[in-house]
Amino acid sequence: DTGVSQNPRHKITKRGQNVTFRCDPISEHNRLYWYRQTLGQGPEFLTYFQNEAQLEKSRLLSDRFSAERPKGSFSTLEIQRTEQGDSAMYLCASSLLASFSGNTIYFGEGSWLTVV
Amino acid sequence: GESVGLHLPTLSVQEGDNSIINCAYSNSASDYFIWYKQESGKGPQFIIDIRSNMDKRQGQRVTVLLNKTVKHLSLQIAATQPGDSAVYFCAEIPAGGTSYGKLTFGQGTILTVHP
Repeated sequence: DTGVSQNPRHKITKRGQNVTFRCDPISEHNRLYWYRQTLGQGPEFLTYFQNEAQLEKSRLLSDRFSAERPKGSFSTLEIQRTEQGDSAMYLCASSLLASFSGNTIYFGEGSWLTVV
Repeated sequence: GESVGLHLPTLSVQEGDNSIINCAYSNSASDYFIWYKQESGKGPQFIIDIRSNMDKRQGQRVTVLLNKTVKHLSLQIAATQPGDSAVYFCAEIPAGGTSYGKLTFGQGTILTVHP
């Protein structure tokens, strides 16, 4: 069990560029979540998938953000036309639908985005 | 809107002391509460959780207390160690299975343990 894996861990990009982050959840976890965390704040929910279906999106997820989980395994989060306000850590988490316990929601190490 | 917040942004303790980290929440419909520890540059790590039908739960060196009357949650760490230094977040999950995993986090408390 390698845990939730996120790539890249760090990304520096110029404003206006597109970036894509990838998340590989724990195998057989059918739920996958994306959160955003800025310095000094707690993570904020962005969206989640159950298998390949995107079931909920936060109002924080503007039109420039798109998330996919095409085969119900890994997921990508793309940010188009990045802005400085997008600078944050993007966290991925996964869990099993059948479980309802805090210790079965596993977070990855996050992907840091810096927009310059 | 509904939120989960913390009373103290920072807490400094001596090694061996007990630590208490507090959290106030506003969503009375929340069904589940979790404490996470986050070390620098890492993702949140589960510490302990508690359901709304409980008022206390103990783990290894940690205890979570829930007071629904005043919407207050606390994390007690016994015999705090330097390795406990981190940011601690409380999080809640509202009632309803479809929202499971959609956590609402508080701002966080920075715990610093001095040797």
